[in-house]
Amino acid sequence: NAGVTQTPKFRVLKTGQSMTLLCAQDMNHEYMYWYRQDPGMGLRLIHYSVGEGTTAKGEVPDGYNVSRLKKQNFLLGLESAAPSQTSVYFCASSYRAGGPYEQYFGPGTRLTVT
Amino acid sequence: AQSVTQLGSHVSVSEGALVLLRCNYSSSVPPYLFWYVQYPNQGLQLLLKYTSAATLVKGINGFEAEFKKSETSFHLTKPSAHMRDAAEYFCAVTIYGSGNTGKLIFGQGTTLQVKP
Repeated sequence: NAGVTQTPKFRVLKTGQSMTLLCAQDMNHEYMYWYRQDPGMGLRLIHYSVGEGTTAKGEVPDGYNVSRLKKQNFLLGLESAAPSQTSVYFCASSYRAGGPYEQYFGPGTRLTVT
Repeated sequence: AQSVTQLGSHVSVSEGALVLLRCNYSSSVPPYLFWYVQYPNQGLQLLLKYTSAATLVKGINGFEAEFKKSETSFHLTKPSAHMRDAAEYFCAVTIYGSGNTGKLIFGQGTTLQVKP
């Protein structure tokens, strides 16, 4: 049982390049989330999904797109990377939404945009 | 809307001393509160959570937190700090109800330094 995994762990992009971050969970969770972590700002929600085939915007969605074609996978895309997207990205999943249901986090992807 | 404020972005204690990390929340409905820990270069790991069953919550690694509704607080404590407790700690809040998407609202984080 691997929990939540993220690919890649590190990436350096040039401004304007694109990339996709992959999140996979093997816990059969319905809900999945993408956060970004910046110093002094905690974690901020980018996009989330309440089930296969669904996605919705979070707090800071601009410049990102997501897809949830399979229940176990949640992809985060950057179509044209900008230096402001330099951050650490975390994926999380949970069995149910909110309340006492904790979110399980992946190890993170450290992205640098030059 | 919910919000979380962690007082003190950096806390330094000596090994063996009491650890106190402060968290205050704002919520118009009964909240569910979490403390997560992040060790260097790792993801977030759940320490403990408040689910309304008990106001004093015990978590892993000797940590506990007390929910105080009158003070809108959920401070994290540990009687005796250990070097391995050095990490960043996040307080988070969510709610529960129909149509809820389960979004967690995080505080800014507190870095705990433990001095030998």
